[in-house]
Amino acid sequence: EIVLTQSPGTLSLSPGERATLSCRASQSVSSGYLAWYQQKPGQPPRLLVYGPSSRATGIPDTFSGSGSGTDFTLTISRLEPEDFAVYYCQQYGSSPSFGQGTRLEIK
Amino acid sequence: EVQLVQSGAEVKKPGESLKISCKGSGYSFSSYWIGWVRQMPGKGLEWMGIIYPGDSDTTYSPSFQGQVTISADKSISTAYLQWSSLMASDTAMYYCARLTSRRWSAFDIWGQGTMVTVTS
Repeated sequence: EIVLTQSPGTLSLSPGERATLSCRASQSVSSGYLAWYQQKPGQPPRLLVYGPSSRATGIPDTFSGSGSGTDFTLTISRLEPEDFAVYYCQQYGSSPSFGQGTRLEIK
Repeated sequence: EVQLVQSGAEVKKPGESLKISCKGSGYSFSSYWIGWVRQMPGKGLEWMGIIYPGDSDTTYSPSFQGQVTISADKSISTAYLQWSSLMASDTAMYYCARLTSRRWSAFDIWGQGTMVTVTS
């Protein structure tokens, strides 16, 4: 089973700043099968990026995904107030798993 | 509009059985894999398993194999998650979600979640 470790656990930034979230896998993620989700309190997760750099439908271009092998990154180029939430990475190879999440909070 | 609508919250006692549902609409339900994801209170997401409604092909996470049963009825565009004997540790929010394409792909459409509380 591939274990995903997200860092940092909590990220404190201000609106307008750039956010960089990391997801490291315990072994190589096949074919870049890596996705990122956003979850706000009381809501289901929302797919942001997959594959690992394709944006999902309706996701603004301020969100971008990159990486390969065992190291992946979600970048939010300019934070809006509605971007403060919890973010999860997921590898969807033959035994899918999620990271433990990064909480993005307002500084 | 493509959507998944889940059944309502449940409160059950340990040892009881339960079946929750997830109804798809706005797309060809039989042609997309559906998965289930657990979120325990205050915790992260856990991938439980998936089913292809077209032929009921099912894959479980090793962590959930034998603990739950995933099924689907394509005639009514509904997937199910069931327990034969609930435990307090099954208390969680359960989400169904549609996979984007193949068996191994991301979840693009999510249900609103079903809260299951198991308490004596």
